[in-house]
Amino acid sequence: DAGVIQSPRHEVTEMGQEVTLRCKPISGHDYLFWYRQTMMRGLELLIYFNNNVPIDDSGMPEDRFSAKMPNASFSTLKIQPSEPRDSAVYFCASSLWIRGDTGELFFGEGSRLTVL
Amino acid sequence: GQSLEQPSEVTAVEGAIVQINCTYQTSGFYGLSWYQQHDGGAPTFLSYNALDGLEETGRFSSFLSRSDSYGYLLLQELQMKDSASYFCAVRDRNRGSTLGRLYFGRGTQLTVWP
Repeated sequence: DAGVIQSPRHEVTEMGQEVTLRCKPISGHDYLFWYRQTMMRGLELLIYFNNNVPIDDSGMPEDRFSAKMPNASFSTLKIQPSEPRDSAVYFCASSLWIRGDTGELFFGEGSRLTVL
Repeated sequence: GQSLEQPSEVTAVEGAIVQINCTYQTSGFYGLSWYQQHDGGAPTFLSYNALDGLEETGRFSSFLSRSDSYGYLLLQELQMKDSASYFCAVRDRNRGSTLGRLYFGRGTQLTVWP
């Protein structure tokens, strides 16, 4: 299995530009999570989907952030317009829910975003 | 809301034993997970406790006390490659989701010296 695939791995952009981060979850997984990691705030849950439907977006910082999952094999996280404080590593993770199981999340390698 | 507390850093020498504690506050608790993250890498799953007691997986063990809202990760026979950040994560119930949500602590940086 290829694991969770994220792109781009690195993105440097200027304030005000639109940023789109992409994620391909592990085939067959029914949950997809977007996390953001910074030194100041650690790993923050932004939003997660179950069977392509957003379940909880309470962690999305503000309206500049949006996430979609048009099908079971693809999700995007968009920031428009971007600001320097959005600089972070954004992780996508997927999971397959089995009752009584550990709920293990499989993380991608992350997208490191720098907004100048 | 949720809150998790764990030490920010721990140091130890090769071959030693180290314990990383985690206390948490959450509603609708499902279980406590532990993840490892090497610099610049993805977090990877180590263990999960839903019930009180000790779970052992090779050199790593994890403990949970639900009544005390407390858990720990025990690493034995430390190796240099164990130098990494270790995160406890609470899995809690969430309306509309049987899997629930996973909230992470700030992480404990473990440094293993030769």
